[in-house]
Amino acid sequence: EAGVTQSPTHLIKTRGQQATLRCSPISGHTSVYWYQQALGLGLQFLLWYDEGEERNRGNFPPRFSGRQFPNYSSELNVNALELEDSALYLCASKRWNTGELFFGEGSRLTVL
Amino acid sequence: GQQLNQSPQSMFIQEGEDVSMNCTSSSIFNTWLWYKQDPGEGPVLLIALYKAGELTSNGRLTAQFGITRKDSFLNISASIPSDVGIYFCAGSSRGSQGNLIFGKGTKLSVKP
Repeated sequence: EAGVTQSPTHLIKTRGQQATLRCSPISGHTSVYWYQQALGLGLQFLLWYDEGEERNRGNFPPRFSGRQFPNYSSELNVNALELEDSALYLCASKRWNTGELFFGEGSRLTVL
Repeated sequence: GQQLNQSPQSMFIQEGEDVSMNCTSSSIFNTWLWYKQDPGEGPVLLIALYKAGELTSNGRLTAQFGITRKDSFLNISASIPSDVGIYFCAGSSRGSQGNLIFGKGTKLSVKP
């Protein structure tokens, strides 16, 4: 069974540009979570999608947005990139009836 | 908001030694999870705990869900060099609205 897959692995952008990150959950998982992990820091909750709807979002500005598609894959969009947006962006998925999140390898975003 | 206090922040031990780390919360959690993260990769789930008092092992790893439901610990016995990494505790409760709250991590270094 394939795990959570994320793309791209690395992405380099400049300030003011937009970035789009993609995630495919484990087959059978309907919930997708996005976390931001800045260098040397812990995981900060960004967004939670379930059954195509945004269920909750963390303490991030509106320029962080996303969506979940009918096949449960998801994308995270970051507009008007700032230097401090440089981080590892982790996607995770879980089955509806468990509390266990399974993470992808992450997308490393660098903003120059 | 809810926070998890994870300690110690870092550990530097000799190969073969046992390791203990813990997490505490100011509020009650229904689920405790322990993850390990290697550099540049996503966190990998080690152990999941769902009941107060539950003690679960995974090889050389043992974790317990505290009786008060406000804490959890992870023990690693007979550490080996590949145990190096960052260990995160995570918990969820009704108050976390479906989100996993993560501790800041314990960085483990093992000297051969």
